[in-house]
Amino acid sequence: EAQVTQNPRYLITVTGKKLTVTCSQNMNHEYMSWYRQDPGLGLRQIYYSMNVEVTDKGDVPEGYKVSRKEKRNFPLILESPSPNQTSLYFCASGPIDSNQPQHFGDGTRLSIL
Amino acid sequence: GQNIDQPTEMTATEGAIVQINCTYQTSGFNGLFWYQQHAGEAPTFLSYNVLDGLEEKGRFSSFLSRSKGYSYLLLKELQMKDSASYLCAVDNAGNMLTFGGGTRLMVKP
Repeated sequence: EAQVTQNPRYLITVTGKKLTVTCSQNMNHEYMSWYRQDPGLGLRQIYYSMNVEVTDKGDVPEGYKVSRKEKRNFPLILESPSPNQTSLYFCASGPIDSNQPQHFGDGTRLSIL
Repeated sequence: GQNIDQPTEMTATEGAIVQINCTYQTSGFNGLFWYQQHAGEAPTFLSYNVLDGLEEKGRFSSFLSRSKGYSYLLLKELQMKDSASYLCAVDNAGNMLTFGGGTRLMVKP
């Protein structure tokens, strides 16, 4: 089954404690992306990757890091989480072709206390 | 800059037709997507337009006018399960999407 898998689905943690949200896709997609979704603000892109070892900043990259060492994996790293990073996070993947939709993971709800 | 506008909320009656509008001003344009998102779930793909005109897919249709920076999603024969948020997203280049804030649709009996 074609899917994008995020882990964990839910996490409550404290300010300053490093955390990683993993994302894996099994569709051999070149493009992967991280979004955060906040009430009234919609989905905003954090980072994206066009292929292995190629990453770039989206609209709201501050406080986040990513890596793309393998095609299937695109982890999101919060080195020193803060309460304003409390949000619902989605990973997505898609082919490079513009007319193909992105496929989204089920989301990770992060609460930073 | 990128700017995508949609109404925040809409209400419609089961069995009726509803049109959700989206206007955009973006630095690039490679197409426009509509996604459906039920509360707490992942967005799922509904439609894609890159040329002007109407694309029909069962009860859902999507229209695009590139010259006007305008799109709409038309939902016919509304069902209760259509209660969800509808997200308009512009592909700026190479599958890099900019999303609007989403329209929350409530379908009433």
